[in-house]
Amino acid sequence: EAGVTQFPSHSVIEKGQTVTLRCDPISGHDNLYWYRRVMGKEIKFLLHFVKESKQDESGMPNNRFLAERTGGTYSTLKVQPAELEDSGVYFCASSQAPKNEQYFGPGTRLTVT
Amino acid sequence: AQRVTQPEKLLSVFKGAPVELKCNYSYSGSPELFWYVQYSRQRLQLLLRHISRESIKGFTADLNKGETSFHLKKPFAQEEDSAMYYCALSRLADTGRRALTFGSGTRLQVQP
Repeated sequence: EAGVTQFPSHSVIEKGQTVTLRCDPISGHDNLYWYRRVMGKEIKFLLHFVKESKQDESGMPNNRFLAERTGGTYSTLKVQPAELEDSGVYFCASSQAPKNEQYFGPGTRLTVT
Repeated sequence: AQRVTQPEKLLSVFKGAPVELKCNYSYSGSPELFWYVQYSRQRLQLLLRHISRESIKGFTADLNKGETSFHLKKPFAQEEDSAMYYCALSRLADTGRRALTFGSGTRLQVQP
């Protein structure tokens, strides 16, 4: 069974540019989560999709972040325009009821210079 | 709001010694507690969850609601246990909001 995949693995962009991160969940998993860990801080929740709907976006830091999950399969997280403080590792996880165990992807390391 | 605290950034023990990684939480509702582990150059993976009451790789953790703790224990550490360990919490009753709240993590180093 293929695990959660994320693309790219690394991204280096300049402040003000746009970056789009992609997450492919485990096939059949309705729940998809985005988290991030910025330097020296805890892993923090960003948002949760159930199929194509945003179930909980309480962790999104501001309106420079836009997440989509069209068709309820893969998801994208766009940062526009990127700021220095957006640097960190962005994780995606997926799960399926009733077990609800979250399986994590390898993460995308974003560096904003 | 919920919070998870892991007071130790680094725990260093010798092979064969007992290990206890501390985790305390605060949450007014019914929590579900987890331990996740990240080995070097690998992704985060679930180690155990309190509702399963399992022992994985010799590790156990008991939820103590009185002390709001979920400490991870292993009687005899192995070198392959060296990794980053994260304690995490989600809301048990609210099935629609299952986001994890993580602690800051503890790095376990098991020396030969």
